[in-house]
Amino acid sequence: AQTIHQWPVAEIKAVGSPLSLGCTIKGKSSPNLYWYWQATGGTLQQLFYSITVGQVESVVQLNLSASRPKDDQFILSTEKLLLSHSGFYLCAWSLSRGQDTQYFGPGTRLLVL
Amino acid sequence: GDQVEQSPSALSLHEGTGSALRCNFTTTMRAVQWFQQNSRGSLINLFYLASGTKENGRLKSTFNSKESYSTLHIRDAQLEDSGTYFCAAEGGTNTGKLTFGDGTVLTVKP
Repeated sequence: AQTIHQWPVAEIKAVGSPLSLGCTIKGKSSPNLYWYWQATGGTLQQLFYSITVGQVESVVQLNLSASRPKDDQFILSTEKLLLSHSGFYLCAWSLSRGQDTQYFGPGTRLLVL
Repeated sequence: GDQVEQSPSALSLHEGTGSALRCNFTTTMRAVQWFQQNSRGSLINLFYLASGTKENGRLKSTFNSKESYSTLHIRDAQLEDSGTYFCAAEGGTNTGKLTFGDGTVLTVKP
């Protein structure tokens, strides 16, 4: 069975500090991977997607970047956090890029002060 | 861009009753997913539909791509059904981009 892990579970960071959030998929090779962001009390917005190692496409510009260093790993990062980066970050995977169920990880809560 | 209009924004049900949530789409969508977000924030997959109707227990969902809407029916609501429900639709670009509705906060009362 496929499992999806995200780390850390939660972070409190200072404005201007760097950030790195991770996502790992186990039990599925070559998944399509996605990052989503949810503002507190808001809806979800797709940020990035990746269909293979080394390839990442940006969907929304939020002064964040993403990388896929391994087949089963997806990293979201920034060198300088903004207050507006606070929220809930979710990683998701699917078997194919289109017309396929997306499965979400448990998420990381980020508070930027 | 793709727009998803979800209604109602909030819904209160007594145990044992039912209701429907609806999402309207401003452009043609290829597929729709419905999720329940629990208190920890986890998104639980309820349905994936490319067309037609699916049923799972007390839940039933329909997706009509021609008329650009999807519905989620809940019957015999239970306390554990409380949470926020989201529809998310996939447009025609085959990128896997899901556009989410604003969510429906469901409260089930004894």
